[in-house]
Amino acid sequence: EVQLLESGGGLVQPGGSLRLSCAASGFTFDTYGMSWVRQAPGKGLEWVSSISGTGDSTIYAPSVKGRFAISRDNSRNTAYLQMNSLRGEDTAVYFCARVPVITVVTHYYVFWGQGTLVSVST
Amino acid sequence: QSVLTQPPSVSAAPGQEVTISCSGGPSNIGKNLVSWYQKLPGTAPKLLIFDNHERPSGIPDRFSGSRSGTSATLGISGLQTGDEADYFCASWDSSLYAVVFGGGTKLTVL
Repeated sequence: EVQLLESGGGLVQPGGSLRLSCAASGFTFDTYGMSWVRQAPGKGLEWVSSISGTGDSTIYAPSVKGRFAISRDNSRNTAYLQMNSLRGEDTAVYFCARVPVITVVTHYYVFWGQGTLVSVST
Repeated sequence: QSVLTQPPSVSAAPGQEVTISCSGGPSNIGKNLVSWYQKLPGTAPKLLIFDNHERPSGIPDRFSGSRSGTSATLGISGLQTGDEADYFCASWDSSLYAVVFGGGTKLTVL
């Protein structure tokens, strides 16, 4: 059974940093790309970033490029999202999701984690 | 402002059918496949449709999808109160090199 478990969310001040983790199980981790998708309170889904199965290809939404960094440790079956220079508009539930192929290109996600809440506030 | 445009809300009575539209452009829906998700508060998005019209295992055939030109449509027939949720479309955008989502549509089953 495919499982994705996010952790690392919490309350952080504007300008601060946070690292999210997504622990995966139930599949061969390095043969799938991984993505982060967020949903701000009362808003829609927003794709944030994706990384290929090998980790050599990464892409970002314009709203987070230069501030967030996606990475993965295939030996630990875990994907990460390092979030720096956080802003109020980054407040959201962050979901990790499995790309159905090894690359970053996809139009759908079958498997999602339950999400972790990031709150950016003083 | 979302790249894909959806109506903010739709409503219909139990047992009726409803359609939700998703309008995009030539770099996303016009040349790439579309998916649809159901989102309930406090839960992860649930994939309803992929590859424009394919249903994952376990999704009832009350849910259907189609694509024409730069627009896509989700259909839900035999509406149930449990279908009340937010629905999102998504696609790949070849120009942005990114996954793009619609702004979401809130379905109310009256």
